[in-house]
Amino acid sequence: DTAVSQTPKYLVTQMGNDKSIKCEQNLGHDTMYWYKQDSKKFLKIMFSYNNKELIINETVPNRFSPKSPDKAHLNLHINSLELGDSAVYFCASSFPGTGTDGYTFGSGTRLTVV
Amino acid sequence: EDKVVQSPLSLVVHEGDTVTLNCSYEVTNFRSLLWYKQEKKAPTFLFMLTSSGIEKKSGRLSSILDKKELSSILNITATQTGDSAIYLCAARLSGTYKYIFGTGTRLKVLA
Repeated sequence: DTAVSQTPKYLVTQMGNDKSIKCEQNLGHDTMYWYKQDSKKFLKIMFSYNNKELIINETVPNRFSPKSPDKAHLNLHINSLELGDSAVYFCASSFPGTGTDGYTFGSGTRLTVV
Repeated sequence: EDKVVQSPLSLVVHEGDTVTLNCSYEVTNFRSLLWYKQEKKAPTFLFMLTSSGIEKKSGRLSSILDKKELSSILNITATQTGDSAIYLCAARLSGTYKYIFGTGTRLKVLA
């Protein structure tokens, strides 16, 4: 009964490869996010989708492309992976309209680029 | 540039101690401030604060927002080893879905 689930949990890949991380939420939330957490535990927003529409697109390389087939899914595709892409990527969802404002996070995907 | 600053960066205490974690924010169009606890995996939601001066409480944890000082504190009384974690605060901007996170305070509680 995981509320926000990400797959895979761990991903080790070589530089130059293309990889995807999937995220699904079963909370009925209408907004989903991708965050990158660096080695210092700093969480930085990358993208946000509301009802399948991109509403936040921070300054991230074009190699990162989010895809939201429906409001319960938000996938992250990364092309031409670089060493600096190594981090933990968190997916999250929320339902701002209710006023609760709180996020529910997935458990994270630890990406290691070698 | 919008930013959220937390202090201290890290803290080591003994079980039973009381700790106070600080969060200050400089953001345009502030809406609310949130506190999260992060252990090994994903951050878990603790509190959301929108009104100044109203304390929110959950067990041994409490938090309050001061909009005049643009800051918030998180108090933990009678700390336990299970409180060891990184505590993150985030400011939500009004009219957007954007949150600005602080760098977190790493708390370690020794038995």
